[in-house]
Parts: sequence; C-alpha cells; structure tokens
Amino acid sequence: DSGVTQTPKHLITATGQRVTLRCSPRSGDLSVYWYQQSLDQGLQFLIQYYNGEERAKGNILERFSAQQFPDLHSELNLSSLELGDSALYFCASSASGTGYNSPLHFGNGTRLTVT
Amino acid sequence: QKEVEQDPGPLSVPEGAIVSLNCTYSNSAFQYFMWYRQYSRKGPELLMYTYSSGNKEDGRFTAQVDKSSKYISLFIRDSQPSDSATYLCAMSPGGYNKLIFGAGTRLAVHP
Repeated sequence: DSGVTQTPKHLITATGQRVTLRCSPRSGDLSVYWYQQSLDQGLQFLIQYYNGEERAKGNILERFSAQQFPDLHSELNLSSLELGDSALYFCASSASGTGYNSPLHFGNGTRLTVT
Repeated sequence: QKEVEQDPGPLSVPEGAIVSLNCTYSNSAFQYFMWYRQYSRKGPELLMYTYSSGNKEDGRFTAQVDKSSKYISLFIRDSQPSDSATYLCAMSPGGYNKLIFGAGTRLAVHP
C-alpha cells in the first residue's frame, strides 16, 4: 500500500458533465501530482502542486483544473467531458517540490468512463 | 515520434527465464531513469532508479543505462509468476518531476 488514497475508484458519467476526483497524499508528503493513463497515450503528467501552490504543468487541458487544499489533499476537476477523457487518473505524492531524491508514490487511480 | 519508445509486448516467458525489457529515447537532456512496475488495477510502483549512465543491481533486477545510444534496459533474473505485470520506463531531465513514461511492456511469467 503506497499510502496515497484516491476516491472514487470508478466513475461513470455522460458527455458534457463535470466530475471531481479526490486524492489524499501520503502522510508528510507536500507534493501532489496528477497523471492520466489511457491506452493510446500511456501515462501522461498533468499537473503538480506543492504545499498548496501550482508547481508544474504538463499536458493538462483547459477543461481540467486542480487545486491543493490546506490539509494537502488535492482535487482534479474535469468539465465538459468528452468520450476521449475516458481514462485512468492517477494521483502521486512525494515529499519535496523539486523532485530530487523524492520518489513518487502512486495511488491506485480513478477509472473514469464517459458515455 | 514519441520522446520515449517502449515495445508494449505482451511478452510471455516461462518461470526461471531471464527477461529483458527496453526503452529508447530521443531527448539527450534526460538524466534520471526509472523503472516502474504496475500490477493490474493498481498504481505504478518504483522498482529501480538510475542517475546518468551505468548499471544498478537490486536483487533479481538490474537496470542499465547507455546514454550514448539513448537506450535503457531492465533485466529480471529467475523470473517468477509474481513478476507478471506491466513494466514502465520513465525518465526526466531533473529528478522525479515531469516524468516522461514509456507505453509499458506487459510481461506474463507462466509456471
């Protein structure tokens, strides 16, 4: 068990809808990362937060947004959902914000299905 | 062309075999190289981590990096059915931030 908790495990919704994915990092970790894993694109970095502030941005669509709260949990908001957004969404956490000597620990993901 | 190329397999081997998993990459700025293992319905877990070129050994696992060829490998000796998983290579120019992952190779070790 990595110590990273993601909820819900599964989410089924319709096109055009909005959903929120939640992540609780490992105890003591200040950084939260969001990744998307799809069959055709593999595992892709979306965004990183460190201690409440956005630290790095990857291939995140404008329809997606994230935030990290004072208790360090994070939420990924996906809006105007399209069929192509169906994927596994992983949250990972690490102790530092710089990424050096600070391995990522992944949760077990949220499987999103858009119908 | 993707920055990191990895054959998705599947790769099927008998128990006890030596397994070789490989990735090639195009970005010469990559300095940090990792291998993650992902079991079905689970998140990736870090197996091996290497900085720059060279070899690193941990039990039955050996990671190799050849920066001149932009080629990394993971060898699994005496493979076990419990090694059946998807193996993802990952790399970055700096630490664990903004990791670029390969597509993953699905490995099946049969008794």
